[in-house]
Amino acid sequence: EVQLVESGGGLVQPGRSLRLSCVASGFTFDDFAMHWVRQVPGKGLEWVAGITWRGGSPVYADSVRGRFTISRDNAKNSLYLQMNSLRVEDTALYFCAKDIHFALQGPFDYWGQGTLVTVSS
Amino acid sequence: DIQLTQSPSLLSASVGDRVTITCRASQGISSYLAWYQQKPGKAPKLLIYAASTLQSGVPSRFSGSGSGTEFTLTISSLQPEDSATYYCQQLNFYPITFGQGARLEIK
Repeated sequence: EVQLVESGGGLVQPGRSLRLSCVASGFTFDDFAMHWVRQVPGKGLEWVAGITWRGGSPVYADSVRGRFTISRDNAKNSLYLQMNSLRVEDTALYFCAKDIHFALQGPFDYWGQGTLVTVSS
Repeated sequence: DIQLTQSPSLLSASVGDRVTITCRASQGISSYLAWYQQKPGKAPKLLIYAASTLQSGVPSRFSGSGSGTEFTLTISSLQPEDSATYYCQQLNFYPITFGQGARLEIK
């Protein structure tokens, strides 16, 4: 059974940093690209970042480029999102999602349950 | 960025009804469109990809069609468990974008 389990969310002040993790199981992690998607509670979905199977060619939404860094450790079946210079508007539930391809082609066939990030003073 | 506009944003239908949700793209995206279903408190679930390919395990009452800029998600015979919000997603250009969502209620 495919499982994606996010962690690392919490309450943080504007301007501070947070690192999210996503541990994968039930599939060959290093065969697939991975993504982060966020959702403000009660609102729609926003794609945040994606990374290919080997960790190359990360891509980012304009809203986070230069502040967030996506990475992966295939030996640990783990995906990460380093979030720096956090803003109030980054407050959301962050999902990790598995691509159906090794490249960044989508769509996303499995999703975690999300970890909530709240940016507030 | 590619903008996706879903219509209607809210719809109410009865069990057994045929329901159609439309997704329009601000420019052509070939067939690089997916549909997701999201229930409250849950992660999105992939229903359709490549505009019309049914994801494994998804009931056959769900179908998708379209290409270019106009796409539809159809539920042929609405069931109570189909009450959810439905999102389209384009995968032809980065950044990947989603529609604003269409909330489907059961009368």
